[in-house]
Parts: sequence; structure tokens; C-alpha cells
Amino acid sequence: ETGVTQTPRHLVMGMTNKKSLKCEQHLGHNAMYWYKQSAKKPLELMFVYSLEERVENNSVPSRFSPECPNSSHLFLHLHTLQPEDSALYLCASSAHPVDFNYGYTFGSGTRLTVV
Amino acid sequence: QKEVEQNSGPLSVPEGAIASLNCTYSDRVSQSFFWYRQYSGKSPELIMSIYSNGDKEDGRFTAQLNKASQYVSLLIRDSQPSDSATYLCAVHSSGDKLIFGTGTRLQVFP
Repeated sequence: ETGVTQTPRHLVMGMTNKKSLKCEQHLGHNAMYWYKQSAKKPLELMFVYSLEERVENNSVPSRFSPECPNSSHLFLHLHTLQPEDSALYLCASSAHPVDFNYGYTFGSGTRLTVV
Repeated sequence: QKEVEQNSGPLSVPEGAIASLNCTYSDRVSQSFFWYRQYSGKSPELIMSIYSNGDKEDGRFTAQLNKASQYVSLLIRDSQPSDSATYLCAVHSSGDKLIFGTGTRLQVFP
């Protein structure tokens, strides 16, 4: 399998649930990212992992917890979410440093609905 | 001031026309620039990248960069209904971070 794969594609969870989003890349990249995309808002960068170390955490609430066990895998652990957390969550990967020609490659996203 | 600005649209053009999408950015040291296309409910996909002043052409797409004016644009020639999507401008300044604009929604009508 090639590219960036995200699972699940769709997730409905209650506010008291715990769930995890998974991202896997097969591109040999060594930087990975989580973005949140809400309706009519720009892409919001949540976390950046470069060479498996978290290098950015954009004031994201602690109910979102990232994990990067190796350069090919990235997780986003979710717990006690709020309805306003409903959004499309996108994983992306890139070379480190970012390649001027290729930028980021995005996964297909997880559509999260919090009820 | 927003770091990357785009007109949200929608930009409506007839089939066969040229669609012109524009983007301005605030960080003068920005090094490379990307245009992504995003269909509704789907993830962004890279269309073009550019890092030198001037034009870069790829098929029906031309990216134009003017670093002095901090301006990057995307031209789509012979627009097709299948080009209808949101186009995201992204700017890379340093490190691994891309800054995205809010996107311009393009509608191509038959």
C-alpha cells in the first residue's frame, strides 16, 4: 500500500468515549502532522512530529493526545471530546525538511462526529 | 493580519474559460509555495508547487510567483466542471510547517 492511510474514515463518538485515530505513511517521510478542518475555517495545525519528536503543539486542548511511535505511524488519542470538536481530521506527512516540490501528502481524513 | 490570504469566493467561470486564483502572504522570507485542490468531503491534493519568481506551467495549470509583491496565483486554462473544488494556497517559510489559506471555492458551469 502506498501514500498516507487514515483509519477510520468515519467516527461517531459520545462525549465520554475514548477513541484513537490512526495514520500510516508508506512514503519514507520523516515528518508527520495532524490538522483539524472545520466548516468554513482554514486548516488548523494541531501537532507536528519531526524525526519522531513532537516539535509543535498549537495550544491544543489536552483531550487530544498525539503519539508517534515511529516515523511511519501517527496516532491521535481522543477522550472526553466536546461537540465543537466535530470536524475532519487530516493527517499529512512530508520529508524533513519539507521538499520544495512535493510539500505535504495528505491522508483521506477521518470525519469525526461527537454526540 | 492573516499570514496567507485568499478570497473565499465562490469564483464562477464558464466551461472553457481561464480561472484565476490569487493568494497573498505576509512572511517575506517564505521560500516555497503550493496549490492544493480539495473536493468537498475529500482531502487536499497537491496540484502545483513553485519557489522561483515567474511562471511554472503543468498542463492546464500555471502557477505565478512574485516575491517582491508577496503574491502567488494559479491559472487554470480551459476550465472544466471537474475543476470545481476549493483551492488552497500554502506557504512554507522554515522548518516543516506549511501555512494554509482559507481556500477559494471555484465553480465551473457548463
